[in-house]
Amino acid sequence: QVQLQESGPGLVKPSETLSLTCTVSGGSISGYYWSWIRQPPGKGLEWIGFIYYSGTTSYNPSLKSRVTISVDTSKNQFSLKLTSVTAADTAIYYCARIELGVGNVYWGQGTLVTVSS
Amino acid sequence: DIQMTQSPSSLSASVGDRVTITCRASQGISHSLAWYQQKPGNAPKLLIYGASTLQSGVPSRFSGSGSGTDFTLTISSLQPEDVATFYCQKYDDVPHTFGGGTKVEIQ
Repeated sequence: QVQLQESGPGLVKPSETLSLTCTVSGGSISGYYWSWIRQPPGKGLEWIGFIYYSGTTSYNPSLKSRVTISVDTSKNQFSLKLTSVTAADTAIYYCARIELGVGNVYWGQGTLVTVSS
Repeated sequence: DIQMTQSPSSLSASVGDRVTITCRASQGISHSLAWYQQKPGNAPKLLIYGASTLQSGVPSRFSGSGSGTDFTLTISSLQPEDVATFYCQKYDDVPHTFGGGTKVEIQ
């Protein structure tokens, strides 16, 4: 059974960079697309972007200037970096595995990142 | 970018009721639509993909229909465990936009 686990700091200061890692277990990262999705407290879901295991990426245009998603196949991990964060970036961040033609099938439990000084 | 609009934003119904949630795309997306269920405190769970295909393990009281711009998620007989927020998501092309969500409660 594929499992995903987000990790990273739960508190980030304004203007700094948010960095999260998603570790995949129970299956290989190779051959799949992997996504990041976030959810501000009490609000809806926002697609951040995805990466193919080979490194090809696609980002939400609203975040594109600040987002980088990368992959480390040797560690079975992929990562999210979001620069110049503000309070509006406070959210639960989820990683997920995409299956083409299906959607986000496997999800991590999510990690809350708060942007505050 | 294509916008995804869900309605209603919330609803309250009785156990056993038939519940219908609508998702509208601002441009055609063929059948490239998924529905997710998110219970409080949990990650979303995939219910339906390809607009109408039930994900493995999902109860048959859930069904989806539609194509192009108009899509529907139906719960044929609402159960207490169905209390959740439901989201649609397009995946025909990037960005993979989500609808705003529909919160379902029991009356």
